[in-house]
Amino acid sequence: EIVLTQSPGTLSLSPGERATLSCRASQSVSSSYLAWYQQKPGQAPRLLIYGASSRATGIPDRFSGSGSGTDFTLTISRLEPEDFAVYYCQQYGSSPITFGPGTKVDIK
Amino acid sequence: QVQLVQSGAEVKKPGASVKVSCKASGYTFTSYYMHWVRQAPGQGLEWMGIIHPGGGSTNYAQNFQGRVTMTRDTSTSTVYMELSSLRSEDTAVYYCARADTVTGYDYWGQGTLVTVSS
Repeated sequence: EIVLTQSPGTLSLSPGERATLSCRASQSVSSSYLAWYQQKPGQAPRLLIYGASSRATGIPDRFSGSGSGTDFTLTISRLEPEDFAVYYCQQYGSSPITFGPGTKVDIK
Repeated sequence: QVQLVQSGAEVKKPGASVKVSCKASGYTFTSYYMHWVRQAPGQGLEWMGIIHPGGGSTNYAQNFQGRVTMTRDTSTSTVYMELSSLRSEDTAVYYCARADTVTGYDYWGQGTLVTVSS
């Protein structure tokens, strides 16, 4: 099983600042099948990034993903008020599918 | 437009079973795998398993082997997840999510809260 570790656990930032979220895998993620999801309270997760770096349909270009192998990053270039949420990484290249524990981005 | 609509909240006693439905619309039902993911209160996301609506094949997470059954009804474009021998730790929101092999989970149901309490 691929274990995903996310850091930091909580990121306290102000609107307009840059957010950098990390996801590290215990072994190489197959074909960069790494996704990022955003979840707000009381809502289902929303797909942001797939294939490590491709934005999903309708996702603003302030969200970007990078990385390969075991180290991946989600960057939000300038935080908007609606971006304060929990972010999860997920690997879907091998079974069982696994998620990271999440990074909460909250308002400083 | 693609929609996944799940059944309503359930309250069950320990030892009982629950069956959650997920009705798909807006796309070819048999062309995409469907996954089930759960989220305990205040916790992260946990993968439960996958069903292929076309052939009905399934693959369950080891944590749920022997307790979970995923089925589908192609006539109504609905997938089902049944979890048996419920215990308090199974209290969670259960989600269905459509899976594209390239993009991951591109559409999610709204979630179904299952509460297990005596």
